[in-house]
Amino acid sequence: DSGVTQTPKHLITATGQRVTLRCSPRSGDLSVYWYQQSLDQGLQFLIQYYNGEERAKGNILERFSAQQFPDLHSELNLSSLELGDSALYFCASSVAVSGRSNEQFFGPGTRLTVL
Amino acid sequence: DAKTTQPTSMDCAEGRAANLPCNHSTISGNEYVYWYRQIHSQGPQYIIHGLKNNETNEMASLIITEDRKSSTLILPHATLRDTAVYYCIVRVGGGAQKLVFGQGTRLTINP
Repeated sequence: DSGVTQTPKHLITATGQRVTLRCSPRSGDLSVYWYQQSLDQGLQFLIQYYNGEERAKGNILERFSAQQFPDLHSELNLSSLELGDSALYFCASSVAVSGRSNEQFFGPGTRLTVL
Repeated sequence: DAKTTQPTSMDCAEGRAANLPCNHSTISGNEYVYWYRQIHSQGPQYIIHGLKNNETNEMASLIITEDRKSSTLILPHATLRDTAVYYCIVRVGGGAQKLVFGQGTRLTINP
């Protein structure tokens, strides 16, 4: 158990819909990362937040957005869903302190299926 | 971040040492070598990391060549539960940095 929790575990929805994925980081971790894993693209970095502020963006679509709340949990919002958005979505957290090794700890993921 | 090259797949017998190579010939002086693994569709799991010196923890050992252009992850006594995709990632160590995953090595431990 990494200490990172993600809900829901599974999500099945239809094209055009909007969903919200939730992540609670490990206690004490300030940084949250979102990754997408699809069969054809592998594990890809989407976006990172540090203590409530966006820190880095990867290949995140404009239809996707995220935020990190004062209690440090994060939500990833996916809208106007398409079939190709079906994937595993992982959240990871790290302490993100300069001088520390800052390994990332991953949650169990949310499997999104768009029908 | 420096690019890494790993074999697509490897097999190892249960109880033997599994040695997973990784080439990172363009690694910079301030970049660390990290290893993660992903068992089936679970979240990736941190294994070990290092800068220059060899490192060992309860899961594995990491051997980094003197020129730092390649490294080897060693699982000393592989078990069936070590069957997974292993990712070698090179990145700057400090602060908050994203991970860039390649294709990794699919390691199969055979009974």
